[in-house]
Formats: sequence, C-alpha cells, structure tokens
Amino acid sequence: GAGVSQSPSNKVTEKGKDVELRCDPISGHTALYWYRQSLGQGLEFLIYFQGNSAPDKSGLPSDRFSAERTGGSVSTLTIQRTQQEDSAVYLCASSPERGAYNEQFFGPGTRLTVL
Amino acid sequence: AQKITQTQPGMFVQEKEAVTLDCTYDTSDPSYGLFWYKQPSSGEMIFLIYQGSYDQQNATEGRYSLNFQKARKSANLVISASQLGDSAMYFCAMREVNYGGATNKLIFGTGTLLAVQP
Repeated sequence: GAGVSQSPSNKVTEKGKDVELRCDPISGHTALYWYRQSLGQGLEFLIYFQGNSAPDKSGLPSDRFSAERTGGSVSTLTIQRTQQEDSAVYLCASSPERGAYNEQFFGPGTRLTVL
Repeated sequence: AQKITQTQPGMFVQEKEAVTLDCTYDTSDPSYGLFWYKQPSSGEMIFLIYQGSYDQQNATEGRYSLNFQKARKSANLVISASQLGDSAMYFCAMREVNYGGATNKLIFGTGTLLAVQP
C-alpha cells in the first residue's frame, strides 16, 4: 500500500514569509508525528496527533509554528514569518495506534530553505 | 530527562565484515522501547529493529541484531556481513511507554555515518 507522503518535497522561501507543509499518513493510522531534522543533526520532535485527543505540542519551538490535522487524516504544519534557522528537513511519520510498540513509518520529508 | 547518545560520528567497515554502532540512553522510566533507523543519502527513514525494555532476548532482524545491556543502558546495533548498500546514517531512538495517554514521541541520537568499503 501507499506510504506516508509529504508535499512539497522542496520549498524555498524568503525570510518573513509563511509556509505550509503537508503530510498524508498511511490510511488507517491514527497517530501522526512531525519531526524536524537540521543539517547533520538527529530528529527533533515537534508535535503529535492521536485520534481525537488533544495534540501534544510540547516540541514546537515557537508560537510561529502550528499544526492541524483534519478529519483524523491529513496534517498541515504551518510556519509563520519564517526565519533562516527554520531551514531544515521536516519529516512526518504515522503509526497504527498508540501502544507499547508501534513502529513509526516516515515520509520522505520536505526540505525547507529560508533565504 | 530522556537522552540518547551516539558517540561515533562516523565509522568505516570493510564489506562482508561485522560492525557495531554504539548507543547509550538515559531514562528514569522502567518501560521504554529502543529503535534503530537507517537513513540513506536519499533521506528516507527506514526502520531496522526494535527492543523493548522488558524483552528477555536481544532482538534480531536478518543481518541486524541489537546488543541490549540494560544495566549499562546501552543498545548497540550490530550489522553482520556488511554490504555496500549499508552505507548510510544510522539513528538510535527511544520511546517511553506511556499508557496514560501521553505522547509516544521518539527521542533520537545524533546519528552515526557508516561507510562500507569494498
């Protein structure tokens, strides 16, 4: 079946502009995660959605970052007034459910470059 | 606080030899899971192997095995019979098991870049 998809694959923007990144999880997966990977670094957790529960936003670095998940499926990560330090690869992952063991399936990522 | 430490920024290994990638972790939670992911130059994250904190045996998946030493809080990845296609970045990650409804986010290490030489 289809994996996690993300769009766009690459995004170049000017400092101060807003950007929207999209994630389509695997069909039926109730959990969705956003991570950020800066150059040469590991992945940094941003936000987590699980079903209809309130999202865990504890990883969002500033109030310029927000995310929503509509209909329990597609998610959009929005970065307002982008800064150069926002340049990174933004990865989305989904998993079947919350539980003791759930492999997270990752999408290909969106590479964001803020000029 | 949860933390994953990978002390090897880069490793070289000859094709067909075995290699061990180090990972240590820190957590106060007795229930947790440990993961290894591979990230080739194409960028996708590929799940390799999982070890639960209560698992009695070390996890194995094909050429991958996890040397889990709970008392030392280490979860080293062993790749046997290295292949050229194993050249990639390898990330160790941990998730605390939260049954109360909290997030199941992964905490990642900084990764080890493995280069397999012919």
